[in-house]
Amino acid sequence: EAQVTQNPRYLITVTGKKLTVTCSQNMNHEYMSWYRQDPGLGLRQIYYSMNVEVTDKGDVPEGYKVSRKEKRNFPLILESPSPNQTSLYFCASNRGTVGDEQYFGPGTRLTVT
Amino acid sequence: RKEVEQDPGPFNVPEGATVAFNCTYSNSASQSFFWYRQDCRKEPKLLMSVYSSGNEDGRFTAQLNRASQYISLLIRDSKLSDSATYLCVVKDPTGGFKTIFGAGTRLFVKA
Repeated sequence: EAQVTQNPRYLITVTGKKLTVTCSQNMNHEYMSWYRQDPGLGLRQIYYSMNVEVTDKGDVPEGYKVSRKEKRNFPLILESPSPNQTSLYFCASNRGTVGDEQYFGPGTRLTVT
Repeated sequence: RKEVEQDPGPFNVPEGATVAFNCTYSNSASQSFFWYRQDCRKEPKLLMSVYSSGNEDGRFTAQLNRASQYISLLIRDSKLSDSATYLCVVKDPTGGFKTIFGAGTRLFVKA
């Protein structure tokens, strides 16, 4: 089954404690993205990657890091989480062509206290 | 000005009603257009692509007006199961066809 998986699905942590949210896709997609979703603001892109070892900032990259060492994986790293990073995070993948759809993971609900 | 703007709603309609959502986008170079559906705090899923000629999928009709930079979604004969948030989505020809999401329009269909 074609899918995007994320882990963990729920995470409560404290300020400053480094964490990683994993993302993996089995569709051999070139393009992967991370979004955060906050009430009234919609989905905002954090980082994206057009291929292995190729990453770039999205609209809200501050406080986040990513890596793309393998095509299927695109982890999101919060080196020093802060309460304003409390949000719902989605990983997504697509082929990277003009008309293709994005496939989303199930989301990670992160709370930073 | 936001790149993609939608009326946040909520739209509260009775079963069987026809409801229309509108969306405007700011970049005239945008190339692809979609409507996604998102159920409460779950992942967005593609509802339909939007073509210049307009397209229909059952009770759903999508229209694109490039001159006015405007996209619409019409839902006929609303069902309880149509209750969700509808996201207007635009692709720009930058950064590997960057995908830009509107903030979404909430729809509640009531019995």
